[in-house]
Amino acid sequence: EVQLLESGGGSVQPGGSLRLSCAASGFMFSAFAMTWVRQAPGKGLEWVSTVTTGNDNTYYADSVKGRFTISRDNSKNTVYLQMNSLRAEDTAVYYCAKGMTTFDYWGQGTLVTVSS
Amino acid sequence: DVVMTQSPLSLPVTLGQPASISCRCSQSLVYSDGNTYLNWFQQRPGQSPRRLIYKVSNRDSGVPDRFSGSGSGTDFTLKISRVEAEDVGVYYCMQGTHWPRTFGQGTKLEIK
Repeated sequence: EVQLLESGGGSVQPGGSLRLSCAASGFMFSAFAMTWVRQAPGKGLEWVSTVTTGNDNTYYADSVKGRFTISRDNSKNTVYLQMNSLRAEDTAVYYCAKGMTTFDYWGQGTLVTVSS
Repeated sequence: DVVMTQSPLSLPVTLGQPASISCRCSQSLVYSDGNTYLNWFQQRPGQSPRRLIYKVSNRDSGVPDRFSGSGSGTDFTLKISRVEAEDVGVYYCMQGTHWPRTFGQGTKLEIK
């Protein structure tokens, strides 16, 4: 059974940093791209970032480019999202999802709140 | 960026009646490999999104056959043949052909 378990969310002040983790199980992690998608309170889904299988290619939404960094550790079956210079508009539930052209499995999400 | 425009944004439906959601894209979603990476997701209240349909018309395992996807190029449709209570939620189309990936605004399905 495929499982994606996010962690690392919490409350942070504007300008602060957080690192999200997503632990994957139930599939060959190293063979699949991984993605982060976020959802602001009461809003729709927004793609954030994708990393290909070997960390060789990363993609970012313009809204987070230069502030967020996606990476993965295939030995730990984990994908990360390092979030720096956080802003109030980054407040959202962050979902980890499997895939690149499609997202066939999603985690339960972790809430990030940016507020002073 | 590819703009995904869903309609309607609110969809009240009587139980047992059909429902249809349109997703129009600002660019063709046909990729260089010949595939069209158009997906549909369902998000029930309080839950994570769940994929229903991938590559326009392929239904995921466990998705009831009352859900179907169709379309080509820039115009796509999700149809529910007979709405059931468990179908309440928000439905999103999403394109996986172009960077950045983009979602539609979401269509909220409710029971009338």
